[in-house]
Amino acid sequence: AQKITQTQPGMFVQEKEAVTLDCTYDTSDQSYGLFWYKQPSSGEMIFLIYQGSYDEQNATEGRYSLNFQKARKSANLVISASQLGDSAMYFCAMREEQTSYDKVIFGPGTSLSVIP
Amino acid sequence: EAQVTQNPRYLITVTGKKLTVTCSQNMNHEYMSWYRQDPGLGLRQIYYSMNVEVTDKGDVPEGYKVSRKEKRNFPLILESPSPNQTSLYFCASSITGWRLRSEAFFGQGTRLTVV
Repeated sequence: AQKITQTQPGMFVQEKEAVTLDCTYDTSDQSYGLFWYKQPSSGEMIFLIYQGSYDEQNATEGRYSLNFQKARKSANLVISASQLGDSAMYFCAMREEQTSYDKVIFGPGTSLSVIP
Repeated sequence: EAQVTQNPRYLITVTGKKLTVTCSQNMNHEYMSWYRQDPGLGLRQIYYSMNVEVTDKGDVPEGYKVSRKEKRNFPLILESPSPNQTSLYFCASSITGWRLRSEAFFGQGTRLTVV
């Protein structure tokens, strides 16, 4: 079974609108971390945001926020006021403390296209 | 400028011809790792290294080798490449691995085609 599920292979959003990219995960650990990375067409991987399983508040970084629902095992990325430069692949990733501090699992990614 | 540098960016090779993809970081990071990215599968970890002379297998190590003789360098070696190793490869480094919420810095990627 996949540990990280991103059910939206591709999404479109109008410029200046908000968009939510879904991520659900599967773990039996109590302590874990969740990451979101952005990959533009140029190929590099850009860190966006991190959420720890014990963090009481949802993480926010500028226009990015993470809607963390622990009981549902979801960590959706919310991008507010979409810009054309947000068009990219977005990957959700999880680090489980029980298995290894040093391994992380990535989801299959969601391709976001921002329409002018 | 803090960066992770991979070379080459693009490589086309033939089956069985040994190749090395280099990775170098200038941030004095202890932790380095290699990933391959394939459509629909996201990134999968090949090998990682916690420090000099310390390496360990990731999820898809078959067909790859690594070495960590110096802190800054972490080359990926394909002794006998096969077409199923055609992929986009990323090197990453961070201060202490994925724990302690340390952000990983990625190289630009190497697109490898094995024919």
